[in-house]
Amino acid sequence: IAGITQAPTSQILAAGRRMTLRCTQDMRHNAMYWYRQDLGLGLRLIHYSNTAGTTGKGEVPDGYSVSRANTDDFPLTLASAVPSQTSVYFCASRRDRSSYNEQFFGPGTRLTVL
Amino acid sequence: QKEVEQDPGPLSVPEGAIVSLNCTYSNSAFQYFMWYRQYSRKGPELLMYTYSSGNKEDGRFTAQVDKSSKYISLFIRDSQPSDSATYLCAMRENTGNQFYFGTGTSLTVIP
Repeated sequence: IAGITQAPTSQILAAGRRMTLRCTQDMRHNAMYWYRQDLGLGLRLIHYSNTAGTTGKGEVPDGYSVSRANTDDFPLTLASAVPSQTSVYFCASRRDRSSYNEQFFGPGTRLTVL
Repeated sequence: QKEVEQDPGPLSVPEGAIVSLNCTYSNSAFQYFMWYRQYSRKGPELLMYTYSSGNKEDGRFTAQVDKSSKYISLFIRDSQPSDSATYLCAMRENTGNQFYFGTGTSLTVIP
């Protein structure tokens, strides 16, 4: 593993189903993020975690939950998927939240909710 | 009004042209300014970043920040077909967790 990996690459999901998007990084970064990217709306922050054991809400958190049991993994769960959650989801990480340091992005998960 | 505004394009230029990409913003507390490049079906990758006002040059790329006008620019000189991508501006306050992204400008460089 090098950088950030996300799984699955793409998924078609029936409305009402539960889904967990996986994100793993091997850079030992403290801060991790989940974004969704929609045409015309750009990247919007869903949830973030500054360090293992802590999480926070971003701009569009409703319908999503996250956990950060360890440094490397930051799964995003849709408890009961709805069509408006159809989007491309990106996980990102950076060394920590202080000052400036680069935010690295994963390759994304394309999710379609029918 | 969104925190960050960016013209979505699309922008199409011939190879070798100078490209100018721009974003405006409303939050005067933004201190860090970034440009990301995103190829189709890939994640964004950092291209340039600047702190506060001023210019920064890296090869064919120049980033400019004008905090008095709340306006940032990315210039690409001698554009190449490999520059064809979507360019996202992003910015952040000095503290805080949230990066604010523009919607992205789609650029095509025609050989």
